[in-house]
Amino acid sequence: GAVVSQHPSWVICKSGTSVKIECRSLDFQATTMFWYRQFPKQSLMLMATSNEGSKATYEQGVEKDKFLINHASLTLSTLTVTSAHPEDSSFYICSAKTVPDQPQHFGDGTRLSIL
Amino acid sequence: QKEVEQDPGPLSVPEGAIVSLNCTYSNSAFQYFMWYRQYSRKGPELLMYTYSSGNKEDGRFTAQVDKSSKYISLFIRDSQPSDSATYLCAMGASGGSYIPTFGRGTSLIVHP
Repeated sequence: GAVVSQHPSWVICKSGTSVKIECRSLDFQATTMFWYRQFPKQSLMLMATSNEGSKATYEQGVEKDKFLINHASLTLSTLTVTSAHPEDSSFYICSAKTVPDQPQHFGDGTRLSIL
Repeated sequence: QKEVEQDPGPLSVPEGAIVSLNCTYSNSAFQYFMWYRQYSRKGPELLMYTYSSGNKEDGRFTAQVDKSSKYISLFIRDSQPSDSATYLCAMGASGGSYIPTFGRGTSLIVHP
C-alpha cells in the first residue's frame, strides 16, 4: 500500500518552455502533498506543501510564480516549472501523506534537464 | 548547528557485515523518527517509522531512538550488495505542520 506515482520520470526540454510534473497517490487519499528538489549527493530540499483544495505553502526562497503547484483532488498534485532555464535542472520528488502524524510516501522523482 | 546531522559517508562494508547508521539532532521537540532508503535516481522508500524512544525491528533492520542523547540509529544485519544506497534519517515534532526535517543522507556501499 501507500504507492505514489510520479510522471514523467525524465524530461528534457529547451530553455523557456514550461514543464508539468504529476504526482498521484494510487491507493490512498492524500490530504497533504509535498514537493522537494534534490541536487546530486544532497538532501531533500522542501519547496512547498499543498493541501487538497487550498493554495500551496511555499518555503522561503522558492518562487511561487516559477513553480506553480496545484492540488485539485485528494489523489493528484501537479508542479509546473514555468519558463524553465538551465538552472532549474534538478531532480524533483513529490510525496504524500494521509494523516498528519504519519510518514510521507515518496514518488520515484522526475529528472528535469533544461537545455 | 543544523537541526539534524548525518555523516554523508560513503560507508563501505563487506557483504554480511552489520551496518550502523546514525543521526543526531538538536530539537528536543522531535517525537517521531523515520529512516528512508534511496537508490540512485529514485525517490526515498520508507524503511522504518518509530514514535518516541525505544527500538523497533523489521527483518534485518533495527531502528533505535535515544531521545535523552538526541541520537538515532539504524542497524542492518547481514548486509547485502542490494543494500547499497543512500539512507536518510528524518524526524519531526507532533502538532503544527508535521513536516519532518531530513538529514543529508549516508551513502552505503556493500561490496561482495
